[in-house]
Amino acid sequence: ELKVEQNPLFLSMQEGKNYTIYCNYSTTSDRLYWYRQDPGKSLESLFVLLSNGAVKQEGRLMASLDTKARLSTLHITAAVHDLSATYFCAVVLVNLETSGSRLTFGEGTQLTVNP
Amino acid sequence: DVKVTQSSRYLVKRTGEKVFLECVQDMDHENMFWYRQDPGLGLRLIYFSYDVKMKEKGDIPEGYSVSREKKERFSLILESASTNQTSMYLCASSLTRVGGYTFGSGTRLTVV
Repeated sequence: ELKVEQNPLFLSMQEGKNYTIYCNYSTTSDRLYWYRQDPGKSLESLFVLLSNGAVKQEGRLMASLDTKARLSTLHITAAVHDLSATYFCAVVLVNLETSGSRLTFGEGTQLTVNP
Repeated sequence: DVKVTQSSRYLVKRTGEKVFLECVQDMDHENMFWYRQDPGLGLRLIYFSYDVKMKEKGDIPEGYSVSREKKERFSLILESASTNQTSMYLCASSLTRVGGYTFGSGTRLTVV
């Protein structure tokens, strides 16, 4: 059974500071997604990481993937209030017998950036 | 852009009622999914479908069933609603088996 765990679950930080959110998963997978969810809204895709060593950056967010360690990180640089949201990582699991696939999500990290 | 539309934003139902949650996508996606979201638990997969009339159980299928008679529509059915099914329900679709998901805006269901 695939398990995906995020750390921390709650993060309160000041504007201008840096921090990293960690995502560990328990089964081999070479495709990992990061999503953002604003309060009361649906999920918005941020990044897809497709291979070991992949790094993607958008603005103040940078995501990386280490498939050997089964670890992804989401690094926040010089945080601003607009980044306040809940961030989810999600790992793809493919069922080769049925051809179905599904995303398994972490618990989410609720980020609050304070002025 | 792909659009995934969930028919209701908010629903209040009584215990024991049969509840239908509808989801429609407009981009011919093969794969569709139903998740429920609860605080501290993230998103948990209820059912998914990778083709018309095909369905596969997710992690928490108990108390739910699904229907996919047409490619664009995936319905989640609560046969007899219970208070522990009060939650946010999110529908998603994807073009390929491993493609990124597009989510609907969610249905917040309250069972009283």
